[in-house]
Amino acid sequence: ETGVTQTPRHLVMGMTNKKSLKCEQHLGHNAMYWYKQSAKKPLELMFVYSLEERVENNSVPSRFSPECPNSSHLFLHLHTLQPEDSALYLCASSQETNSGTGDSPLHFGNGTRLTVT
Amino acid sequence: GQNIDQPTEMTATEGAIVQINCTYQTSGFNGLFWYQQHAGEAPTFLSYNVLDGLEEKGRFSSFLSRSKGYSYLLLKELQMKDSASYLCTAPDTGRRALTFGSGTRLQVQP
Repeated sequence: ETGVTQTPRHLVMGMTNKKSLKCEQHLGHNAMYWYKQSAKKPLELMFVYSLEERVENNSVPSRFSPECPNSSHLFLHLHTLQPEDSALYLCASSQETNSGTGDSPLHFGNGTRLTVT
Repeated sequence: GQNIDQPTEMTATEGAIVQINCTYQTSGFNGLFWYQQHAGEAPTFLSYNVLDGLEEKGRFSSFLSRSKGYSYLLLKELQMKDSASYLCTAPDTGRRALTFGSGTRLQVQP
């Protein structure tokens, strides 16, 4: 198994649909993240989970709802999205140290390319 | 928050050496990361520097000067596959996750 696995790789959904993105990490890490990358733009941090507790939520609209049932799995539930939400959604994991200052490298999955029609 | 400055674009020739500079300002310092990102793909970790000096990993090396708030990534024996964006990022003290800028887009030409 590769380190961080995301499914599906591609997703096309209408604005009234509900879908979920899934991420699984096999690295034994204790922190997981969702990032969004729109075309030709920098990565935007969306959510941070540490030990299954959400510790950061960067002003993300409520139509994006994360869930972290355990330290290996992370979901992003999507509903009533807008066309501008079309982007590459990247999951990452890391081993957070006691200082909790984000000083360990992120391991990214291959992402889900989402298109909202 | 962190303030990162990198050139937007660079061009180099296959087989040559290129140095990508990065200056940073952070609230506290917890090390500096370099990532590589090919278009449409996820970033991959290249290096982490927390002490001053040069860290070498094969064709890639990364340098840090904390007193100058400066780092560079050195790529030797450039290959066409090195065409990518190179992201420099330094987390602020107390931040739990890395944030990224646009990075430097490197184009390697034959």
